[in-house]
Amino acid sequence: GDSVTQMEGPVTLSEEAFLTINCTYTATGYPSLFWYVQYPGEGLQLLLKATKADDKGSNKGFEATYRKETTSFHLEKGSVQVSDSAVYFCALSAYGGAQKLVFGQGTRLTINP
Amino acid sequence: DTGVSQNPRHKITKRGQNVTFRCDPISEHNRLYWYRQTLGQGPEFLTYFQNEAQLEKSRLLSDRFSAERPKGSFSTLEIQRTEQGDSAMYLCASSPTSATSYEQYFGPGTRLTVT
Repeated sequence: GDSVTQMEGPVTLSEEAFLTINCTYTATGYPSLFWYVQYPGEGLQLLLKATKADDKGSNKGFEATYRKETTSFHLEKGSVQVSDSAVYFCALSAYGGAQKLVFGQGTRLTINP
Repeated sequence: DTGVSQNPRHKITKRGQNVTFRCDPISEHNRLYWYRQTLGQGPEFLTYFQNEAQLEKSRLLSDRFSAERPKGSFSTLEIQRTEQGDSAMYLCASSPTSATSYEQYFGPGTRLTVT
C-alpha cells in the first residue's frame, strides 16, 4: 500500500540555520504531496502542496519540490526562526482514490535562539 | 471563525464505556474525514464521507467503531466498549468537492483517554 517515510527527529537547530526534512514516498499512480505543520497546542495546518512531478510548493519561506524520479518531497527553508518550532508531517493523497491522506510519522523541529 | 470544530476537546472514560465525538465541518464542504493519531505518530485514516454516504472505511475501524453523517453536514464517531488501546487523538477534516488537489482542513481534535 501507499506509504510515506520521513527523517526521524527530533531535529534541533539554531535560529537562521538551513533546514532540510527528508520525505520519501511509495505510491501507485500519481499522488499529490503535502507538508502539514502542527504548532504546539494547535491543529494540523496545510503548509504547502504539489500535485504533479517537478511542481514546487512554497509558503512562509518553506519549499518542497515533487521529485518523481527519486519519489521524494523534501522540505527546506533557508533561515529558520524560533517560531518555526513545530511538528512537520509529510503526506500523500493517491490519484483517483478517496483522497484520504497517508501521513509520515512526523518530525519534531526545535529552533533555539 | 468558520473552521472545522470538534467536540468535546477532551474525553476521559473508563474501559468498557461508549463514547461519541462530534465534528462540524466547514460549511459547504461535502467531504468529511476521520483520522486517529497516537502519540509520536502521524494521523491514520479511519473513514471518509461524501455528503451522507460513507465511501471508505479503514481496516483500523473495527466493529466497535461507527461513524455517521446523517444529513451531510456534521458527523459523529462512536466507539463502543472502549479499550485502553483506543486512547488517541481523533481528528476530523473536511474538503470541498472542487478541490482538485484534495486539500483537507483539520479540526483541533478530540483527545480520548481510556482508563
